[in-house]
Amino acid sequence: QVQLVESGGGVVQPGRSLRLSCAASGFSFSTYGMHWVRQVPGKGLEGVALILHDGSNKYYAESVKGRFTISRDNSKNTLYLQINNLRAEDTAVYYCAKEEGSVSIFGVVRHWGQGTLVTVSS
Amino acid sequence: NFMLTQPHSVSESPGKTVVISCTRSSGAIASNYVQWYQQRPGSAPTTVIYEDNQRPSGVPDRFSASIDSFSNSASLTISGLKTEDEADYYCQSYDSTNAYVIFGGGTKLTVL
Repeated sequence: QVQLVESGGGVVQPGRSLRLSCAASGFSFSTYGMHWVRQVPGKGLEGVALILHDGSNKYYAESVKGRFTISRDNSKNTLYLQINNLRAEDTAVYYCAKEEGSVSIFGVVRHWGQGTLVTVSS
Repeated sequence: NFMLTQPHSVSESPGKTVVISCTRSSGAIASNYVQWYQQRPGSAPTTVIYEDNQRPSGVPDRFSASIDSFSNSASLTISGLKTEDEADYYCQSYDSTNAYVIFGGGTKLTVL
């Protein structure tokens, strides 16, 4: 059974950095691309970043380019999201999600984590 | 990037059928798979439809979906509505040119 467990959220001051983690289990992690999706409280879902199965290619939403870095450690079955220079507008629940395409990205998600809340506040 | 437009809200009575639409602004709706996600208050999204019309195991067959190339839209149909279906529903597709996952704005379904 696919399980995705995010961690690393919390209350952070503006301008600081944070690294979110997503521990994956129940599938061959190194075979699938992965996504980070965020949701501002009371608002809709926004795709933030995605990474290919082997980490060779990474893609970002325009709104986070230059400040967010997605990465993965296939030996640890873990996905990461490094967020630098945090802003108030980054306050959101961050979800990791498994891409259904093996090796390739089709933008199809079937499995989601439970999310981790990041609150940017002084 | 294209946009996916959903109605802000819909409401229907228990036992009835509701259809939620998702219209793609540019590019063919059939060029990338469409997914539908259910999100109850305080919970993570769950997938009710993937790859246009596939239902994950555990999702009741009251949920179905289709795409319509003529109107360039996707639709989620929920029949035999139950109060537990009350949630926000999001459609999602993929901009393969820019490697960008795109979500609709979400539709709040009220079952009353």
